Amino acid sequence: EAQVTQNPRYLITVTGKKLTVTCSQNMNHEYMSWYRQDPGLGLRQIYYSMNVEVTDKGDVPEGYKVSRKEKRNFPLILESPSPNQTSLYFCASSLRLAPQETQYFGPGTRLLVL
Amino acid sequence: AQKITQTQPGMFVQEKEAVTLDCTYDTSDPSYGLFWYKQPSSGEMIFLIYQGSYDQQNATEGRYSLNFQKARKSANLVISASQLGDSAMYFCAMRESTNDMRFGAGTRLTVKP
Repeated sequence: EAQVTQNPRYLITVTGKKLTVTCSQNMNHEYMSWYRQDPGLGLRQIYYSMNVEVTDKGDVPEGYKVSRKEKRNFPLILESPSPNQTSLYFCASSLRLAPQETQYFGPGTRLLVL
Repeated sequence: AQKITQTQPGMFVQEKEAVTLDCTYDTSDPSYGLFWYKQPSSGEMIFLIYQGSYDQQNATEGRYSLNFQKARKSANLVISASQLGDSAMYFCAMRESTNDMRFGAGTRLTVKP
């Protein structure tokens, strides 16, 4: 089954404790991205990757890191989480970055930073 | 600048009736794609329908149709014969040739029995 997977689905952590949210897709997509969703703001892009070893900042990159060492994986790293990073996070992928390409989303990761 | 505007934070519709969710967008790129996603209470983002800027006809997918008015820069989602399972958040999004997908703030649809 074609899908985007994320782990963990739920995470409660404390300020400053490094964490990684994994993302994997099995559709051989070149393009992957991370979004955060906050009430009233829709989804905002954190980082994106056009292909292996090619990453760039989205609209809200502060406090996050990413890497793309393999085509299928695109982990999101919070090196020192803070309470304002409490949010619902989505990983997404598409064949490439193009207006007609649909992005497919993972199930989401709910993060609470205390 | 906000590129996608959804002016209805919440909407109610009676079961079996049709409902229109509004979306306007702003772009100077002649090539762009418009998307609608559904987010049920379980949280996942489900792709519903796509409309390309060069498409001559409005997109349809089952009970979903997209009322695309290019000159007015609007891309409203029409859901026909609403069902209780249609209760969810709905997001309009746009993808340009030089910019990635941007989302509106969403509309929460509640279907009443």
